[in-house]
Amino acid sequence: EAGVAQSPRYKIIEKRQSVAFWCNPISGHATLYWYQQILGQGPKLLIQFQNNGVVDDSQLPKDRFSAERLKGVDSTLKIQPAKLEDSAVYLCASSSPARLAGSEQYFGPGTRLTVT
Amino acid sequence: AQSVTQLDSQVPVFEEAPVELRCNYSSSVSVYLFWYVQYPNQGLQLLLKYLSGSTLVKGINGFEAEFNKSQTSFHLRKPSVHISDTAEYFCAVSDGGSQGNLIFGKGTKLSVKP
Repeated sequence: EAGVAQSPRYKIIEKRQSVAFWCNPISGHATLYWYQQILGQGPKLLIQFQNNGVVDDSQLPKDRFSAERLKGVDSTLKIQPAKLEDSAVYLCASSSPARLAGSEQYFGPGTRLTVT
Repeated sequence: AQSVTQLDSQVPVFEEAPVELRCNYSSSVSVYLFWYVQYPNQGLQLLLKYLSGSTLVKGINGFEAEFNKSQTSFHLRKPSVHISDTAEYFCAVSDGGSQGNLIFGKGTKLSVKP
């Protein structure tokens, strides 16, 4: 089966510009996650969707970050305006089972964002 | 609140030598534990996980880990490493809540030298 797809793979922007990342999860996976991975750190959850509804966005900086999953399939994460500290790899992951606890999350290759 | 501590940021080792990557967690409730591997310019891939039952868990690529509740540890081991094991390894914990959210450690870079 096809894995989690993300685009673009790399993006360089100037501070105060906006940027959007796209993720297409594994077919049939109801749960979708966006993580931020700053260099030298582990991934940090930004937002979790169950179908097209938000389950957890407690760590999403809502003044500048937004995400949507309108049809319960692919998702877009946007940053507007970007700051230097947003430089990171943005990872998308998906999972399928009815019981999420203990389930495997499948990760995409990530989008590396550099803000100058 | 849960947290994960990976005690070594970098571990250099020679090919065919054994390796142990250390992970300690903090949680006030029962947890599920995971090890993920990240190869350069790729996403994370699950190596193994502990949910319940036997405390010795076997994963892919010859890796295994042992859950130790009294020491709140979940160390990853491999008896003989290969050059291809060079990657970054992340330990993660989930509290078993309905959302399945993962808290990751900062990672350990394993460098296998010939």
